[in-house]
Amino acid sequence: DVKVTQSSRYLVKRTGEKVFLECVQDMDHENMFWYRQDPGLGLRLIYFSYDVKMKEKGDIPEGYSVSREKKERFSLILESASTNQTSMYLCASSSSGDRDTDTQYFGPGTRLTVL
Amino acid sequence: AQKVTQAQTEISVVEKEDVTLDCVYETRDTTYYLFWYKQPPSGELVFLIRRNSFDEQNEISGRYSWNFQKSTSSFNFTITASQVVDSAVYFCALSGINNAGNMLTFGGGTRLMVKP
Repeated sequence: DVKVTQSSRYLVKRTGEKVFLECVQDMDHENMFWYRQDPGLGLRLIYFSYDVKMKEKGDIPEGYSVSREKKERFSLILESASTNQTSMYLCASSSSGDRDTDTQYFGPGTRLTVL
Repeated sequence: AQKVTQAQTEISVVEKEDVTLDCVYETRDTTYYLFWYKQPPSGELVFLIRRNSFDEQNEISGRYSWNFQKSTSSFNFTITASQVVDSAVYFCALSGINNAGNMLTFGGGTRLMVKP
């Protein structure tokens, strides 16, 4: 079974703090994704990565950065957290192989509150 | 541009009723994949099914069934004899052969509430 883990289920931070959200997958997947989920807005893609050290902007990258130094790990960084970044953050991974192309497997999510 | 529409934002049923969740999609790709995910109250999105655009056979898995109709660009999901544990938000998603990095386009989700 694919397993995607996220470093925290719940996180409370103060405005202006630097925040790191970590995601690890154990299936040797090439692609990794960060989404945020807000009521009424569904899932919105922040950044994705299709290889180590590669990153691409999604739909809402402003205020975020990412890091992928190892294949299994994809970090989301909030350089200076703001209250409008209070949200549920979901990490996902997928394989580029033919058998399971495009199927994204999700972690449990991190509910971040910025005070 | 791709788009997925789940017109039903919330559905409430009583246990043992059948319920159908609608999904309509738009894409210019001729090869694409369609997905359904379940998000229970715990928050994790759970993968349910993946279909490719060349396979229009309906699929049944226990109480779950999916109806893919290319002619109407729909990929509807039916739960037979619903149970309280089916209460969740359900997302339909679409990917295309030309998507960079295998991105998915998600619908807005349908919240299903099954009452005892």
